Amino acid sequence: DAGVIQSPRHEVTEMGQEVTLRCKPISGHDYLFWYRQTMMRGLELLIYFNNNVPIDDSGMPEDRFSAKMPNASFSTLKIQPSEPRDSAVYFCASSLVLISTDTQYFGPGTRLTVL
Amino acid sequence: AQKVTQAQTEISVVEKEDVTLDCVYETRDTTYYLFWYKQPPSGELVFLIRRNSFDEQNEISGRYSWNFQKSTSSFNFTITASQVVDSAVYFCALSEVETGRRALTFGSGTRLQVQP
Repeated sequence: DAGVIQSPRHEVTEMGQEVTLRCKPISGHDYLFWYRQTMMRGLELLIYFNNNVPIDDSGMPEDRFSAKMPNASFSTLKIQPSEPRDSAVYFCASSLVLISTDTQYFGPGTRLTVL
Repeated sequence: AQKVTQAQTEISVVEKEDVTLDCVYETRDTTYYLFWYKQPPSGELVFLIRRNSFDEQNEISGRYSWNFQKSTSSFNFTITASQVVDSAVYFCALSEVETGRRALTFGSGTRLQVQP
């Protein structure tokens, strides 16, 4: 079975440009998460969805960040305008929450560099 | 608020040595999950184990073993007879069930270097 798919794997852009990161969760999973990893802050949650509905976006840094999940098989994380401090690895993860299980499986990540 | 502490920033061992990675957590929930993930140099996050708060039985999987102790809020990870391929950053994480907050709270990670 395919795991979580993220694209692009690497993105280099200039300050002020719009960046869109994409994620395809594991089929059948009902939760989707976006995390960011930086040296300074480690791994931190940005936002997560349940059945395509945003549940917790308290980790979204500011209005420049937005995330959508138009259907069960696709999500985007958009940064507009991008800034150098947004440089990080962005991970998407998905899970199927049942009574006895709640494991998140991660995509390979998108390494974003904002110049 | 929930918190995960991995006090060991970096550990270096020689191949075939045993090594234990420490994890201490804080939560007000009585029902929660604990996880370990491995991040090799290639950068992906690989799931290793999930432990339910009601299940304090220790687990062994090959050279890996986990010791969960609710009394000390710890979930330690031991690698027996370490190998160079074990070199990675290891993260401990927590998710809370009662609060319904499904997101993972990660520790800061422990970088393990296994020297040949």
